[in-house]
Amino acid sequence: AQSVTQPDIHITVSEGASLELRCNYSYGATPYLFWYVQSPGQGLQLLLKYFSGDTLVQGIKGFEAEFKRSQSSFNLRKPSVHWSDAAEYFCAVGAYYGNKLVFGAGTILRVKS
Amino acid sequence: SQTIHQWPATLVQPVGSPLSLECTVEGTSNPNLYWYRQAAGRGLQLLFYSVGIGQISSEVPQNLSASRPQDRQFILSSKKLLLSDSGFYLCAWRAEAQGWTEAFFGQGTRLTVV
Repeated sequence: AQSVTQPDIHITVSEGASLELRCNYSYGATPYLFWYVQSPGQGLQLLLKYFSGDTLVQGIKGFEAEFKRSQSSFNLRKPSVHWSDAAEYFCAVGAYYGNKLVFGAGTILRVKS
Repeated sequence: SQTIHQWPATLVQPVGSPLSLECTVEGTSNPNLYWYRQAAGRGLQLLFYSVGIGQISSEVPQNLSASRPQDRQFILSSKKLLLSDSGFYLCAWRAEAQGWTEAFFGQGTRLTVV
């Protein structure tokens, strides 16, 4: 069974600073990886996904993520954070065999001006 | 285009009362459907998922059950609610396709058991 670890529960960055949110997954076969963002009291919006091919994927709102198989990681990055990026971010992994989609515990991002 | 509807948005129920949360998807056929619960600090916990009518996979043995009476309808139920059932419940759908597709989420139901 697959699992996801997001080691940082809370992160605070200054507006304009760079951001990296960590995600480590556990799965024996090829994973399908996702990053979602959630504003308070809302559903989840897909930021980006990795299925295969280029290990650096671009998403919406200026986010990107890099898949590193050797480290079982899929970290999310943004070069310059905006105040509107404050939200909770979830990493998720889908199993190559089967239909389970498992999420991590989430990272709450706070942006200070 | 596809849309997902989840209701109600907010619900306050007494302990021991029954529960029924409904989720419907429009604009697609034979979707994969999911119920998640979100509690503070615990991320999104997968509760149930379904790949077809009447096919339910349960991830966490607990006080809840799920049913899929129609292709695009997914219902989360409980006969007797517990305080620990409080949380934010999210329904999601994913297109059935060769390989994987991303999941799309409803707006969620905030359940408070009192």
